[in-house]
Amino acid sequence: SAVISQKPSRDICQRGTSLTIQCQVDSQVTMMFWYRQQPGQSLTLIATANQGSEATYESGFVIDKFPISRPNLTFSTLTVSNMSPEDSSIYLCSAGTGGAYGYTFGSGTRLTVV
Amino acid sequence: EDKVVQSPLSLVVHEGDTVTLNCSYEVTNFRSLLWYKQEKKAPTFLFMLTSSGIEKKSGRLSSILDKKELFSILNITATQTGDSAIYLCAVFAGGSNYKLTFGKGTLLTVNP
Repeated sequence: SAVISQKPSRDICQRGTSLTIQCQVDSQVTMMFWYRQQPGQSLTLIATANQGSEATYESGFVIDKFPISRPNLTFSTLTVSNMSPEDSSIYLCSAGTGGAYGYTFGSGTRLTVV
Repeated sequence: EDKVVQSPLSLVVHEGDTVTLNCSYEVTNFRSLLWYKQEKKAPTFLFMLTSSGIEKKSGRLSSILDKKELFSILNITATQTGDSAIYLCAVFAGGSNYKLTFGKGTLLTVNP
C-alpha cells in the first residue's frame, strides 16, 4: 500500500491568513482525497483531487475556500484560505487505488486558527 | 444519500475483555466495507470486506460482513491498553467516484 508524507504536521495560524498543506505519495495512485476532522467528529470528505483538472468538491465545500492542486499522480496540495477559528481541525489526505488495501492516510495536519 | 452508522459511540473496558464493535450501512451499489483504527491523527487500515460470511483476521482482531443484513462487526479479543483508539467504519460504493463514506466512529478505551 502507498505511503504518504503530509506536511506540516501542525500549525497555528492567524485568522484571515491561508495555509497550504502538502501530500506526497511514494507511488503513483489513482485517487487522492482531502478530509477534515473537527474535534470529536468523524472524517468529512472535502474533495477528490483530480490529476490535471479541477477537484470535485462535496456539498458545503467550495474551491475559493479550499483550493486544491494535483499536478501529477503522486502529489497534491490543499489550501485553507481566509481562515477563521471554525477552520481549526485536523486535515487529512488519503490516497490509493481502491484495491485490496483500501486507502492510506497521511499523518494529518492539526490546524489551530487564533 | 449513503449512510454508515456505528455503535456504540464509546466503550470502556478492562484489559483482557473482548469487545464487539458494530457498523451498519445503507448505500447504493455497495462494493466494500473498510475498518480503520485512529490513535492520534492518521487512521490506519485494518480490514477490507467485500464478501458475506468470510471472516478477516489479524492477530486478536477479526471482522465479518453480512451483506444481507447490511452490517459488519469488528471483534477484539484479549484487549490491551494499546487497543485504545477510535475505530472507524467506512463504505465504498460503486458510482461514488471511489470515495469512502465514514461512520462517526467508536471510541474504545481499555483500562489496565
